[in-house]
Amino acid sequence: AQSVTQLGSHVSVSEGALVLLRCNYSSSVPPYLFWYVQYPNQGLQLLLKYTSAATLVKGINGFEAEFKKSETSFHLTKPSAHMSDAAEYFCAVSSYNQGGKLIFGQGTELSVKP
Amino acid sequence: EAGVAQSPRYKIIEKRQSVAFWCNPISGHATLYWYQQILGQGPKLLIQFQNNGVVDDSQLPKDRFSAERLKGVDSTLKIQPAKLEDSAVYLCASSLERGNEQFFGPGTRLTVL
Repeated sequence: AQSVTQLGSHVSVSEGALVLLRCNYSSSVPPYLFWYVQYPNQGLQLLLKYTSAATLVKGINGFEAEFKKSETSFHLTKPSAHMSDAAEYFCAVSSYNQGGKLIFGQGTELSVKP
Repeated sequence: EAGVAQSPRYKIIEKRQSVAFWCNPISGHATLYWYQQILGQGPKLLIQFQNNGVVDDSQLPKDRFSAERLKGVDSTLKIQPAKLEDSAVYLCASSLERGNEQFFGPGTRLTVL
């Protein structure tokens, strides 16, 4: 079975500071990993995805994530936070034999202070 | 390109009533998903269609929930009768094929009183 754990339901950073959102996964088969962002009253938007190519994945809006198999982690980072980054972030796992089914973590709400 | 459309955006009902949600996926997308997102949790897959066939409905409470995608295009999710714990956002997503990137609609927020 696959699962995702996001450490920290709320993260607060100052504008311009480093953003680090943590995600650990469990999977018995090679995983596909995703980060989604959700703004209030909107659907989810894909930030980036890992599908067994490069372990450092660059996404939209300056975000990136690194797949570390030894640590079963896929943490999301951004060097400098912007006010517009305030949102809910979800990490998700899937695999080839899951047919596209996504299993989500519980989410991390990011607040950005001016 | 138009995105995934869902309606209604908001719905308030009393427990034991029935409710239906509609989803129109991106044109040409063969795979359609319904997720339930309870407040404070990540989305959970309820049902997955490939064209008009069900691929995965293992998490669908079949005693009260039903879904169909008769012509392999738009889809309807129904709850009958609703319970308080059904209060959630119901998200529809579609992808070109199974395993491809999923595109999400804005969701329907259901409140059961």
